[in-house]
Amino acid sequence: DTAVSQTPKYLVTQMGNDKSIKCEQNLGHDTMYWYKQDSKKFLKIMFSYNNKELIINETVPNRFSPKSPDKAHLNLHINSLELGDSAVYFCASSQDKGTYGYTFGSGTRLTVV
Amino acid sequence: AQKITQTQPGMFVQEKEAVTLDCTYDTSDPSYGLFWYKQPSSGEMIFLIYQGSYDQQNATEGRYSLNFQKARKSANLVISASQLGDSAMYFCAMREGRTGANNLFFGTGTRLTVIP
Repeated sequence: DTAVSQTPKYLVTQMGNDKSIKCEQNLGHDTMYWYKQDSKKFLKIMFSYNNKELIINETVPNRFSPKSPDKAHLNLHINSLELGDSAVYFCASSQDKGTYGYTFGSGTRLTVV
Repeated sequence: AQKITQTQPGMFVQEKEAVTLDCTYDTSDPSYGLFWYKQPSSGEMIFLIYQGSYDQQNATEGRYSLNFQKARKSANLVISASQLGDSAMYFCAMREGRTGANNLFFGTGTRLTVIP
C-alpha cells in the first residue's frame, strides 16, 4: 500500500510538448510538495501546497503549474517542455503539525529530447 | 548562504566498519528539524533519522545515529557496522519552524560506497 505514489515513473517526450505528472498520497497529510532533482543530484523545492496556500519557488518558470483537485492529490503540469527540464521530479507530503519529515514518492524521471 | 552543507562528495568504508557523514546547517530559527535521507541507486528517497532542535539526546534508529552538536550547528550521521546495502547517496536536510508548510532544504549529498 504505497504511501505517496507518482505516475509515470519514466516520461520521455519531445521539446515543446505539454505533460503532466500525477501524485497521490494516502497518509492524510496536510501538505504536498514537488521537488526537482537535477543531474548533480541536488534537490530543490518547486512548490508546496496545502488547502490554504500555494507557495511557489520564485525560480520556477511559470511553465510549471501544480494542480490539486483535492487534499490527497497534487499533479504537476509542464507546458512547452525544454531540454533543461530533464530531471527527476519527486512528489512528497508531510503533516503540518509536528516537526517530522516528508514522505517521498518514488520519483518521475523526465527526459526531454 | 547555504542552509545545509555536506562537504564530502564521496566516502568509502569497509564493510562492518562505522562511518560518519558530515552535515552542517545554518539557521537563525530557534525551532528546526534535521533529517537524513538515503537514496539508493533505484532512486527512491528513504527517511532514516530525525533530530529536533530542542531534543536533549542524540537521535538513534537501529544502526543510524545522529551526532547533534547544536553550538557547532552540525548534525553528522553515524552508520555503524556498515553493510553493502548501505551504498547510496545520503542527504542531510533541515526544516525550519515548528508548524506550517515549511520547506525541507537539502544538502548536496554524500555518495557512500561500502567496500567488501
